[in-house]
Amino acid sequence: QVQLVQSGAEVKKPGASVKVSCRASGYPFTTYFLHWVRQSPGQGLEWMGVINPSDGSTIYAQRFLGRATMTRDTSTTTVYMELSSLRSEDTAVYYCARSSQQLVRSWGQGTLVTVSS
Amino acid sequence: DLQMTQSPSTLSASVGDRVTITCRASQSIGTWLAWFQQKPGKAPNVLIYKASSLESGVPFRFSGSGSGTEFTLTISSLQPDDFATYYCQQYDAYPLTFGGGTKVEIK
Repeated sequence: QVQLVQSGAEVKKPGASVKVSCRASGYPFTTYFLHWVRQSPGQGLEWMGVINPSDGSTIYAQRFLGRATMTRDTSTTTVYMELSSLRSEDTAVYYCARSSQQLVRSWGQGTLVTVSS
Repeated sequence: DLQMTQSPSTLSASVGDRVTITCRASQSIGTWLAWFQQKPGKAPNVLIYKASSLESGVPFRFSGSGSGTEFTLTISSLQPDDFATYYCQQYDAYPLTFGGGTKVEIK
């Protein structure tokens, strides 16, 4: 079955970068887009962007342009989301999620990123 | 960007109640709307897609309706397992956008 397994929790200082991974299994990796969605503590869901694992092309939400970078490694069926210039407001759970025709159906378990001095 | 507005933000209800949550899009999205349920500490789960299609395995007490800019999620008879937060999401166009969420609490 479809599995998306994310890397573990991170604690970072303001100004640093974080790179979260999401390993996909149980389906042809290059067939489905993978998204990143974050959720700040006690808040709603915020879409960050999407990557096409087939060719590595990406679309980012405007507010993350220039600060978020999504990449993939087809040899390990893993996608990555790197967020730079971290600030306290970036403290959140970051989810990867697989879509079919843009409908997000399968989610990773989430990765808590804490930004604190 | 398409804005999704959900109401109410919080809803207090009892087991057995009929519950309705509304979602409004800032422009027409056809029927490209999904509803998610999220429980504390867990990832969201899709309940409804294409505005009114029930996801496999989701109980029949959940239903969705609407098109264009106005959508509703209805739980016909609230069960103890249904106390959670619900989100609508449009997937008509990027950026994908979510409603602000509706927390369904025990009355």
